[in-house]
Amino acid sequence: ETGVTQSPTHLIKTRGQQVTLRCSSQSGHNTVSWYQQALGQGPQFIFQYYREEENGRGNFPPRFSGLQFPNYSSELNVNALELDDSALYLCASSLVLAVGIEEQFFGPGTRLTVL
Amino acid sequence: GQQVMQIPQYQHVQEGEDFTTYCNSSTTLSNIQWYKQRPGGHPVFLIQLVKSGEVKKQKRLTFQFGEAKKNSSLHITATQTTDVGTYFCAGYLYTGNQFYFGTGTSLTVIP
Repeated sequence: ETGVTQSPTHLIKTRGQQVTLRCSSQSGHNTVSWYQQALGQGPQFIFQYYREEENGRGNFPPRFSGLQFPNYSSELNVNALELDDSALYLCASSLVLAVGIEEQFFGPGTRLTVL
Repeated sequence: GQQVMQIPQYQHVQEGEDFTTYCNSSTTLSNIQWYKQRPGGHPVFLIQLVKSGEVKKQKRLTFQFGEAKKNSSLHITATQTTDVGTYFCAGYLYTGNQFYFGTGTSLTVIP
């Protein structure tokens, strides 16, 4: 167990809807990253939040947005869902120190299906 | 754009044989991390390499970071059935705080 939890476990939405996924980071971690993992592929970096500010972003459109809260929990919001958004969404918490980023602890993921 | 490729995509080995996966980045990386993902599971951190030419060992696993910090490898000696899973490298770029996961190598170990 990594101490990182995600909810919900599974979710089914229809095209055009909006979805919010939630993540609770490991205690003491100040950074959370979100990834999209399509079946049979590697995780794709969506963005990273450090102390409630977006701190890095991958090649994802603006309809993917996020929030990090003072207690280091976070949300991933996706608007105007498309069929290709169907994937496993993973959050990963980590501790960023002056010397760089430490290991990432992944949550179990949320399986999103868009019909 | 930035790409991280891994070869091979799949590897089947007899238990006891060795296994190696190679990771290649199109650009120089700040550091590289390796993860293992079991079927139906989530990635689990194995190790982080930071220095050019760095080699680290964890029991039967040996990790290497290339001199140019553009490639890396993971070698498993005498595989066991517990080694089954997909191994991903994840290159990190300090500029832009970006992680680039490789395409992964799926390892099957035949008892």
